[in-house]
Amino acid sequence: AAGVIQSPRHLIKEKRETATLKCYPIPRHDTVYWYQQGPGQDPQFLISFYEKMQSDKGSIPDRFSAQQFSDYHSELNMSSLELGDSALYFCASEPSGGALTDTQYFGPGTRLTVL
Amino acid sequence: ILNVEQSPQSLHVQEGDSTNFTCSFPSSNFYALHWYRWETAKSPEALFVMTLNGDEKKKGRISATLNTKEGYSYLYIKGSQPEDSATYLCALGSNYKLTFGKGTLLTVNP
Repeated sequence: AAGVIQSPRHLIKEKRETATLKCYPIPRHDTVYWYQQGPGQDPQFLISFYEKMQSDKGSIPDRFSAQQFSDYHSELNMSSLELGDSALYFCASEPSGGALTDTQYFGPGTRLTVL
Repeated sequence: ILNVEQSPQSLHVQEGDSTNFTCSFPSSNFYALHWYRWETAKSPEALFVMTLNGDEKKKGRISATLNTKEGYSYLYIKGSQPEDSATYLCALGSNYKLTFGKGTLLTVNP
């Protein structure tokens, strides 16, 4: 069965550079979530999209932006990278408009290292 | 800010032992409690979604119970096997997102 695809899997950037993370949800899933997990931390919700519109926003810095495209894939753009942005970034998709009882299916994550 | 707590933080058991761990959450405004199993270098894998007080779900040797009135869920593993070694995450579903606990790292020694 198709799973959530994230690219790249690993990314190394310098401070103040820009990074773009991509997420391709499971086919027919129209809701996408982004989570950030720092070293030794629990995953923290960043932002979510339903039908190409932002549905909720968590602790996402102003330096980050995201969008969902017409094919439902999503991109997380991160500018002016800081050392503290080094983390595992998960994307998850869901088959409905964010029903709390639906299972979110996670991608393998993108590990971002900022040097 | 929702606070989802998991205990213990880590657990070592011998193959064949049964074990359980806890997820605690605010009992007000409860919508759903999710359990995920997360192996290193893999995606978190959904185990259960629980919504009703008294819910009990089972998947093979793994089962979970839910008490929404007192705000806790237990995950049980019967006859642990080395392949059960993973981090078990619980997450509270509310406001259209998941709030995760820090997870319980289970190591099953052969």
